[in-house]
Amino acid sequence: SSQLTQPPSVSVSPGQKVTISCSGDALRDTETAWYQQRPGQSPLLVIYQTNKRPSGIPERISGSKSGTIATLTISETQAVDEADYYCQAWDGTTHVLFGGGTKLSVL
Amino acid sequence: QITLKESGPTLVKPTQTLTLTCTLSGVSLSSGPVGVGWVRQAPGKALEWLAVIYWDDDYRYNPNLKSRLAVIRDPSKNQVILTVTNVDPMDTGTYFCAHEPYYYHASGYYSVAFDVWGQGTWVTVSS
Repeated sequence: SSQLTQPPSVSVSPGQKVTISCSGDALRDTETAWYQQRPGQSPLLVIYQTNKRPSGIPERISGSKSGTIATLTISETQAVDEADYYCQAWDGTTHVLFGGGTKLSVL
Repeated sequence: QITLKESGPTLVKPTQTLTLTCTLSGVSLSSGPVGVGWVRQAPGKALEWLAVIYWDDDYRYNPNLKSRLAVIRDPSKNQVILTVTNVDPMDTGTYFCAHEPYYYHASGYYSVAFDVWGQGTWVTVSS
């Protein structure tokens, strides 16, 4: 079955750049979205259509994709960026897929 | 401003049917093209997509849970209702509904993403 694979955790020092990967065959043919989820909160859309930012999301958060790998990049990482991040795509055109999530630690 | 709010029981017994309601404001599910999706999250686990219902009353389910899910909409109340039958302790978790706008491109409609989420509602399945 289709699935999206993310690293369970990544860590970064404040002010540095961090990337979170998401891989899966489904990514070859569909757009990708990314969500940030802080503890006890609902997910927040931070990237849609692979590389677009919703209003209010800082420019230091960006998205890209190459083949079957999508990447979320946070430049100049801040303490407020510490959260779980989930990628999301579609299996075909209608079924939604979520990645397993990546816990970002800002150390 | 679009908001969504989930409501439903906090405790259900195994084998019972769970019914959850998502109430929308600031947007009409009938105005299209838009969908409302349901996503759940078991404690300490990842997000899991359950279902979506579209502005035209079409719907889709997670293939792994399809036999236990049903989603309908009540346009008069601007609500979407999800039922999960024969619940099990593995169904314990937070259930979210989310707004999903669509755009038209060449051959059809495509989802933008889940751009607005409800606060979630916690459900425990236990005897």
